[in-house]
Amino acid sequence: GEDVEQSLFLSVREGDSSVINCTYTDSSSTYLYWYKQEPGAGLQLLTYIFSNMDMKQDQRLTVLLNKKDKHLSLRIADTQTGDSAIYFCAEKEDSGNTPLVFGKGTRLSVIA
Amino acid sequence: NAGVTQTPKFRVLKTGQSMTLLCAQDMNHEYMYWYRQDPGMGLRLIHYSVGEGTTAKGEVPDGYNVSRLKKQNFLLGLESAAPSQTSVYFCASSSPGQMGNQPQHFGDGTRLSIL
Repeated sequence: GEDVEQSLFLSVREGDSSVINCTYTDSSSTYLYWYKQEPGAGLQLLTYIFSNMDMKQDQRLTVLLNKKDKHLSLRIADTQTGDSAIYFCAEKEDSGNTPLVFGKGTRLSVIA
Repeated sequence: NAGVTQTPKFRVLKTGQSMTLLCAQDMNHEYMYWYRQDPGMGLRLIHYSVGEGTTAKGEVPDGYNVSRLKKQNFLLGLESAAPSQTSVYFCASSSPGQMGNQPQHFGDGTRLSIL
């Protein structure tokens, strides 16, 4: 079955850039997502990318996709303490009703 | 904007008790999902529904039942609660969308402890 892998922890200093990495196994993944979960809350969609794209930028967020290596990354520029959260990578095979497959999440800690 | 609302937010049960978690969405979404989140395990799909009156099993369906009698509601039932079902439960909903890029909207979770 599909599998999505992420490192569990990342610690960065405030003002530095954070890079959260994700690898997936399903070669037919069409849509890839990054979700953010703050303490005590549900998941919030941060950004997404289609498999026919290499990069997507949205303010401080940059998503890079290497489809050949099945590697997705999320870069957060000028990381702030408010960025401390768990970040989930997720993939979806097609535009139909197949559910998302989530990674286990990367806990980002920002040190002031 | 309510979005996805889960009730209750917290609950403590004794082993063997039954209960129903309610998820309601006001976005007219076709698809609804129930996940559980456990430390180090990420989100695991329990059951999902692609429309009113239809349900399907996810990755970890055992010990749970679901019903989607109304489009806006998705119920998750525990018939006989076990300590292994202690978890945080999340409901989500989404719409098919023209390009398939409609994101899932999540509720704030139900924290369930089974003693």
